[in-house]
Amino acid sequence: GQQLNQSPQSMFIQEGEDVSMNCTSSSIFNTWLWYKQDPGEGPVLLIALYKAGELTSNGRLTAQFGTTRKDSFLNISASIPSDVGIYFCAGLNFNKFYFGSGTKLNVKP
Amino acid sequence: DGGITQSPKYLFRKEGQNVTLSCEQNLNHDAMYWYRQDPGQGLRLIYYSQIVNDFQKGDIAEGYSVSREKKESFPLTVTSAQKNPTAFYLCASSSGTPTDTQYFGPGTRLTVL
Repeated sequence: GQQLNQSPQSMFIQEGEDVSMNCTSSSIFNTWLWYKQDPGEGPVLLIALYKAGELTSNGRLTAQFGTTRKDSFLNISASIPSDVGIYFCAGLNFNKFYFGSGTKLNVKP
Repeated sequence: DGGITQSPKYLFRKEGQNVTLSCEQNLNHDAMYWYRQDPGQGLRLIYYSQIVNDFQKGDIAEGYSVSREKKESFPLTVTSAQKNPTAFYLCASSSGTPTDTQYFGPGTRLTVL
């Protein structure tokens, strides 16, 4: 099935740094979702975006629904060690969800 | 507390045996999904159900079967026909509305010996 292109695949950053990751697709989506998954656990929803151009924050996390509806971005400010994990994007189109392959974030204290 | 439960967390089975993974939700969601996740990989859709007594194959349905007799429950059976069943299995649900959000359970790690 269709997959979203998520980048980067992995990141190694220092505690306190800001992080950016994105998802792109050749298709238009009606909803963009961002999840975080810890090892051995299910993904947890971080932010949901429903409108083109929408910018939504959740604490230190900010996500944007691209104006073309074909992309989305997630930023994490002032990273901390507990931000470590895999971040997934997901897009909803015609009642079907499509997932990115994930960005693995490593934070050095 | 509303949410999705999956049991058990860890499951071990001998090769050639069928095994059923449980998924229950109390979110009153119409749609439910099963995904498979392999190490370092994204999510692959096995089966999904938009409504009770109806379900459709996803991208990797071969060797799996499901039922949806109740709105709250969507069990997945991994049959002996599945060539490589060892994986992390995730159940999810959503309301099925146009502005939808999908929520995941905690997952079941199946190991076939």
